[in-house]
Amino acid sequence: DGGITQSPKYLFRKEGQNVTLSCEQNLNHDAMYWYRQDPGQGLRLIYYSQIVNDFQKGDIAEGYSVSREKKESFPLTVTSAQKNPTAFYLCATGQESGANVLTFGAGSRLTVL
Amino acid sequence: AQSVSQHNHHVILSEAASLELGCNYSYGGTVNLFWYVQYPGQHLQLLLKYFSGDPLVKGIKGFEAEFIKSKFSFNLRKPSVQWSDTAEYFCAVNPPYAGKSTFGDGTTLTVKP
Repeated sequence: DGGITQSPKYLFRKEGQNVTLSCEQNLNHDAMYWYRQDPGQGLRLIYYSQIVNDFQKGDIAEGYSVSREKKESFPLTVTSAQKNPTAFYLCATGQESGANVLTFGAGSRLTVL
Repeated sequence: AQSVSQHNHHVILSEAASLELGCNYSYGGTVNLFWYVQYPGQHLQLLLKYFSGDPLVKGIKGFEAEFIKSKFSFNLRKPSVQWSDTAEYFCAVNPPYAGKSTFGDGTTLTVKP
């Protein structure tokens, strides 16, 4: 069953702690993306990767880091430098190179206490 | 950089009413255009897309959208909504081969039975 798996679904952390969100896909898509969804603000792009071992900053990359060591995996680390980390994080993959039709995971909700 | 504007943040309709959700974008060149939908408790998913050709495109569940190049618009329509159309709708654009999509802030549609 092809798809995108994000884990954990819910995560709580204390201020000052780094946390890593997992995103794994078995769709064989080259491109992977991390978006942040906040109420009334739509989806904002954090980082994206079009190929293994390469990634680019999106519109709101400050306080986040990523890696792309395998085609299937694109983990996102929310560092203590991120000022407002409480949010819903969506991972997506892109098919049809150039057309960029996105397939989304179920999301991870991070709450900073 | 491109931007996307969705005019209505929250729309409330009765069943069988007609729907039109506005979407305007700012980008001078060729773009791919999308509407995505997020039903309560479900993944964000593609509703319809426009790449080229006929500016009137049809998607799933009776939705359609019209691309008007002169107005930089890609409005979503449905002649008669159902209670099951209650969801959040996102317009998105990306220039071909740009590698990333820009989303609007989203419109929450509530359909009253």
